[in-house]
Amino acid sequence: KAGVTQTPRYLIKTRGQQVTLSCSPISGHRSVSWYQQTPGQGLQFLFEYFSETQRNKGNFPGRFSGRQFSNSRSEMNVSTLELGDSALYLCASNDPGQGNTEAFFGQGTRLTVV
Amino acid sequence: AQSVTQLDSQVPVFEEAPVELRCNYSSSVSVYLFWYVQYPNQGLQLLLKYLSGSTLVKGINGFEAEFNKSQTSFHLRKPSVHISDTAEYFCAVSAASGGYNKLIFGAGTRLAVHP
Repeated sequence: KAGVTQTPRYLIKTRGQQVTLSCSPISGHRSVSWYQQTPGQGLQFLFEYFSETQRNKGNFPGRFSGRQFSNSRSEMNVSTLELGDSALYLCASNDPGQGNTEAFFGQGTRLTVV
Repeated sequence: AQSVTQLDSQVPVFEEAPVELRCNYSSSVSVYLFWYVQYPNQGLQLLLKYLSGSTLVKGINGFEAEFNKSQTSFHLRKPSVHISDTAEYFCAVSAASGGYNKLIFGAGTRLAVHP
């Protein structure tokens, strides 16, 4: 089975722009979560989608949004980028219905805002 | 709400020595506990997890951890480390009612194994 795939791996954007990151979960997984990793704040939960519905949300401003498609692929969008949005964005998938009791992570997208 | 404290930001150790990475958590509800490892420019890989049952859990690469409910701790141990264990280690919790994909992480412990 292929793992969690995140694209692109690296991205450079300018302040004020918007960006869309993509995550393809492990086949059959219906839950996709997003995390932001920065040196200052560590790993922080952004949101979780399950069967196209946002199930949980972390404490991030409304500039951070996401969605999930019927094939469970997910995208997250950050609008009006700020320098502080520079981070590694990690996606994780899971499906307890398949007996999974852990989240499987992708390799991440490293976003640099200049 | 849950929170996780990893008591050491960095742990230097010599090769073949034992190591313990400490993790304490806080939660008003039952939790699942996890240890993940991250190598440079990589995602997170699960080392081990505690869901219920035996408080001593064994994971990959010779790591083990013990769940202590009274001390709200979940310390990670390895009896003999290798150079290849050099990485960042994250302790994480999720509310048992919330599934496995809403994780609250500690700040991480950087393990540096020296020859």
